[in-house]
Amino acid sequence: QKEVEQNSGPLSVPEGAIASLNCTYSDRGSQSFFWYRQYSGKSPELIMFIYSNGDKEDGRFTAQLNKASQYVSLLIRDSQPSDSATYLCAVSGGYQKVTFGTGTKLQVIP
Amino acid sequence: EPEVTQTPSHQVTQMGQEVILRCVPISNHLYFYWYRQILGQKVEFLVSFYNNEISEKSEIFDDQFSVERPDGSNFTLKIRSTKLEDSAMYFCASSEAKGTNEQFFGPGTRLTVL
Repeated sequence: QKEVEQNSGPLSVPEGAIASLNCTYSDRGSQSFFWYRQYSGKSPELIMFIYSNGDKEDGRFTAQLNKASQYVSLLIRDSQPSDSATYLCAVSGGYQKVTFGTGTKLQVIP
Repeated sequence: EPEVTQTPSHQVTQMGQEVILRCVPISNHLYFYWYRQILGQKVEFLVSFYNNEISEKSEIFDDQFSVERPDGSNFTLKIRSTKLEDSAMYFCASSEAKGTNEQFFGPGTRLTVL
């Protein structure tokens, strides 16, 4: 069973702080790694993807991948109240299904 | 910006009835997917579709489910005889043939089975 594990939270951070979200996965054959943001009652929105070990930055978001440790993380700098949502870690082995974690609920406190 | 669309946004049906959920994937995408999310639970893969055939399906996708691409734009999920436990949000997603499988999700259809 391919699993993606996340701490369900909630993770509370003050506005302007860095939010750090973590994820581990079980399938060593995973090739693509995604972070989706999901607001309550809405669909998952793709915010970051990463395929190679190391860091990938896009605006306030940085994704980090360590395939040896089977670990993916997402850093959100200068957190805003609008970042309050559930963040879903997801992995894929190619042009196949994406396996999602249960998500981490982030609360940014003004 | 291109987006995946889904209709209806909310479908209420009686147990045992058939429902068809519709999706229009992003126009240049060639891989299509259905996922579901039961309230309070994680997003679960149902089926992937490429080149007019199912490429992968999960254990959830049993004989009660079917998918079809009836024309050049629509992608449908049919549930033949709905059960109470089919109540969930159903998301359609699509991805390009080239690239690394970034999947873009539609807004979802909330299915309520009474």
